[in-house]
Amino acid sequence: EAGVAQSPRYKIIEKRQSVAFWCNPISGHATLYWYQQILGQGPKLLIQFQNNGVVDDSQLPKDRFSAERLKGVDSTLKIQPAKLEDSAVYLCASSSIAGPRNEQFFGPGTRLTVL
Amino acid sequence: AQSVAQPEDQVNVAEGNPLTVKCTYSVSGNPYLFWYVQYPNRGLQFLLKYITGDNLVKGSYGFEAEFNKSQTSFHLKKPSALVSDSALYFCAREGSSNTGKLIFGQGTTLQVKP
Repeated sequence: EAGVAQSPRYKIIEKRQSVAFWCNPISGHATLYWYQQILGQGPKLLIQFQNNGVVDDSQLPKDRFSAERLKGVDSTLKIQPAKLEDSAVYLCASSSIAGPRNEQFFGPGTRLTVL
Repeated sequence: AQSVAQPEDQVNVAEGNPLTVKCTYSVSGNPYLFWYVQYPNRGLQFLLKYITGDNLVKGSYGFEAEFNKSQTSFHLKKPSALVSDSALYFCAREGSSNTGKLIFGQGTTLQVKP
């Protein structure tokens, strides 16, 4: 079974520029998560989708971050404009259904550096 | 609010020795607990989870974890460490919303030396 795919793997931008990350979850997985992992910290949930609806976006900085999951499959996370503190690894994960009993499968992540 | 603590930034063990990576969790509701491992430039990989039942949970690659309700701990263990076990380990718990959201500890780097 193919895993969670993410692109690009690395991105370097200057502050105030915009950037977008793409995620393709495991086929058939209804739930998709975006996490932000700052160096030296554990991942922090930014947004969670169930099919194409948002379940939790309480920690998403909505003034600069946006995410969508068109047709309930692929997802895009955008930052506009980027700040220095956005430098982090952005992880996408998916699971078959939401809930604590279901393992989340993570992609390799996109490492963002904001200069 | 739910939280997870990993008190050690790094754990060093010799190959062949037993290893323990510590994790404690905040007391709130039924704790659904997980361990994930992260190798360099790769995503997190699931090791094991505790939902209910037997306090000793067995997972991938020979790892196990012991759920201790009185000490609010969920320590990761392995009887005999391998150099290839060297990686970053994260303990996590289910968030309060019961949606599958995970709350992670800050991570512990395990270094196994030959």
